Amino acid sequence: EAGVAQSPRYKIIEKRQSVAFWCNPISGHATLYWYQQILGQGPKLLIQFQNNGVVDDSQLPKDRFSAERLKGVDSTLKIQPAKLEDSAVYLCASSPGLADTHRGEQYFGPGTRLTVT
Amino acid sequence: KNQVEQSPQSLIILEGKNCTLQCNYTVSPFSNLRWYKQDTGRGPVSLTIMTFSENTKSNGRYTATLDADTKQSSLHITASQLSDSASYICVVRGGTGGFKTIFGAGTRLFVKA
Repeated sequence: EAGVAQSPRYKIIEKRQSVAFWCNPISGHATLYWYQQILGQGPKLLIQFQNNGVVDDSQLPKDRFSAERLKGVDSTLKIQPAKLEDSAVYLCASSPGLADTHRGEQYFGPGTRLTVT
Repeated sequence: KNQVEQSPQSLIILEGKNCTLQCNYTVSPFSNLRWYKQDTGRGPVSLTIMTFSENTKSNGRYTATLDADTKQSSLHITASQLSDSASYICVVRGGTGGFKTIFGAGTRLFVKA
């Protein structure tokens, strides 16, 4: 079974530029998550999708971050414009079943390391 | 407030030694607790999961314990190997208003030859 795919793996941009990350979850997984992981910290949930609908985006900085999951499969996360404090690893994860009824195991991709200079 | 706290923040041990990582949580109501291993440059991978009624779960050289009364968990690594060098993240599922997934900050383990 193929795992969660993310691209690019690394990205360096200047502040105020825009950037987009792509995630392809495990086939058949209904729930998709985007996390921000700052060095030395645990992942912080940015947004959670159930199929193509948003379940939780309470910690997404909506003035600069946006995400979509068209057709309930692939997802993109965009930052526009980027700030220095956005430097982090952006992890995508997916899980089978419904968001609130499964045992909660999430399968993570390798992440995209973003550096904002 | 639902929180997960881990200790120590980092740990250095010699290859072949045992170690124990700690996780304290305040999440209520509680659903389950997972330990994840995150290798450098990789995403986290689940090691164990425990529900309220389970107090010990093993996965090879990894043994997790859970005390739901004191809201504490530990991850014990036996006969450590160089490949155990990673971050270990405690994740608790639960909370009011729906089931949230709360991540700890992780313990960074370095195993030296």
